[in-house]
Parts: sequence; C-alpha cells; structure tokens
Amino acid sequence: QKEVEQNSGPLSVPEGAIASLNCTYSDRGSQSFFWYRQYSGKSPELIMFIYSNGDKEDGRFTAQLNKASQYVSLLIRDSQPSDSATYLCAVSMDYGQNFVFGPGTRLSVLP
Amino acid sequence: EPEVTQTPSHQVTQMGQEVILRCVPISNHLYFYWYRQILGQKVEFLVSFYNNEISEKSEIFDDQFSVERPDGSNFTLKIRSTKLEDSAMYFCASSTEGNTEAFFGQGTRLTVV
Repeated sequence: QKEVEQNSGPLSVPEGAIASLNCTYSDRGSQSFFWYRQYSGKSPELIMFIYSNGDKEDGRFTAQLNKASQYVSLLIRDSQPSDSATYLCAVSMDYGQNFVFGPGTRLSVLP
Repeated sequence: EPEVTQTPSHQVTQMGQEVILRCVPISNHLYFYWYRQILGQKVEFLVSFYNNEISEKSEIFDDQFSVERPDGSNFTLKIRSTKLEDSAMYFCASSTEGNTEAFFGQGTRLTVV
C-alpha cells in the first residue's frame, strides 16, 4: 500500500514569514513529486514538481527532495494571506502511473 | 492558457441511476485521469487512460465504473448504478507524459440522493 503522509494542520504563520510544509512517502521506488494547492471547494492547482534530490526554486516557492529519507517539503517565502489553502503532496511511481495524494496540510497565513 | 474542462459542474442523481461525467482534456495531452474527493477527505486515484485503453485503475474503480474516449476530444467517466457513497467531487486531469505534472479540471460535484 503506497502511503503519502502530511500533517493535517492547520499551520498558521504570520504574513511575510516562511511557511514550511512537509511530506513523507512510503514507496522507495517513487520517482516524481508534486505540490498542489487546493482552495476550499476548488480543484488542485499545480505549484511545483521535483524529480531529483535537492532543491528546486520557483519564485517564492522552493521544493526540497530527499529520496534517502523519503521526504519532500515545500517552503513558501514571504507568505501572503492569499497563500492560505490546503497544500497537497502527490507522488508518482513510474511512467504512466497514477498520483498518490497525501491528505493535505491546511495553511493559514495571518495578516 | 489551455485548461481541462469538465461538465456538468454539479450533478444530482437518484441512487441506482447512471451518470456520465464529461471532460475535455488539454488538446496535446496524451494521459488522462479521473480522481475523486469525498468531502473532507483526500484526493483518490480512480483510473488512468492512455492510447485508448486503461493503463491503471484503483480498487475503487470497480465494475460500476467505466471510462471512454468517444472522440478526439472528450473523456468520460460513467457510473452505471450510483450509490450514496459515490457522492464526491470528481476531477479529471491530463498530462503530456505519464509522470509529468497533471493539470486538473474544475471538477464535477456528484450528489447521489
């Protein structure tokens, strides 16, 4: 059974702070890792993906992957109230395989 | 910007009835997916579709479910005899290759009464 775990939150950070979201996965063969943002009642929206160990930066977002520890994280710098949402970690195995989603972490950025 | 579109946005159906949820994936995408999300729960994989056939399906995707690509643009999910527990948001997604990023449609909220 492939599992993706996330703290459900809520994670509360003040506006302008760094938000750190974490995700662990059970299947060591996982190859692709994605972060989606989901506002209440809306569909998941892709933020970032990462395939290789290390950091990947895109604007205010940085994804970090450590395959040895089976751990992937998302850092949001200069957090804004509009970043308040549920952040979903998704993991994919091989070419053409499905995504396994974590339960999501609710982030609340306080003005 | 290209997007995945789903219709209808909300469907109410009586238990035991058949429903068809429709999706138009992004035009140059080759992989198509259906996911569902029961209210307050996580997004769950149902099925993936490539080259006009199912490439993978989950335990949820039993004989009551089927998918079809009836023409070059539409991708449908059929539930033959709906149950109360089928009530959920159903998301269609598409991607260019199997393990690259998937883009989601806005979802169809299915309510079975």
